[in-house]
Amino acid sequence: GAGVSQTPSNKVTEKGKYVELRCDPISGHTALYWYRQSLGQGPEFLIYFQGTGAADDSGLPNDRFFAVRPEGSVSTLKIQRTERGDSAVYLCASSLNRGNEQYFGPGTRLTVT
Amino acid sequence: GNSVTQMEGPVTLSEEAFLTINCTYTATGYPSLFWYVQYPGEGLQLLLKATKADDKGSNKGFEATYRKETTSFHLEKGSVQVSDSAVYFCALRENQGGKLIFGQGTELSVKP
Repeated sequence: GAGVSQTPSNKVTEKGKYVELRCDPISGHTALYWYRQSLGQGPEFLIYFQGTGAADDSGLPNDRFFAVRPEGSVSTLKIQRTERGDSAVYLCASSLNRGNEQYFGPGTRLTVT
Repeated sequence: GNSVTQMEGPVTLSEEAFLTINCTYTATGYPSLFWYVQYPGEGLQLLLKATKADDKGSNKGFEATYRKETTSFHLEKGSVQVSDSAVYFCALRENQGGKLIFGQGTELSVKP
């Protein structure tokens, strides 16, 4: 079956602009996670959804970052007033439920110039 | 807070050599432990896992044993192949938690 998909695969934006990154989880997976991976580092947790609600947003670095999952399936990560330090690969993962194996998407590479 | 520390790479080995990638963790409670692999141009994939002390996870010839007394989860393989060249990430999931906490990754390069 289809895995986790993320769009776009690459995004280049100017400092100060707004961006949206999309994640399509595996069908039927109730849990969805966003991570950020900087060059040469491991992924860092941003936010976790169980269904439509954000169950843990402790990893969001500041209030410029926001994520939604209005129908409990597709999720969008939104970044306002982008900064060069936001440049990274943004990874999405989904799992059948909390505690089950997480399946990762290919990521969106965000470059802020 | 909880954290994972891996040996730094890159690690370069000849084919059929023995591999060890060290991983230690700091955690409260009883975390589950994982090794993920990222092959060139591909997404993160779960390689193996262990959910309690003394469990051994294994897959594709790789093994790791959950050692609570040394808070370690070292990855081993007896004979590496060129196709094992990838970046390997050790990770923990807090007890009852959902999020994964990753180490910084170790790049492995296997030469023919």
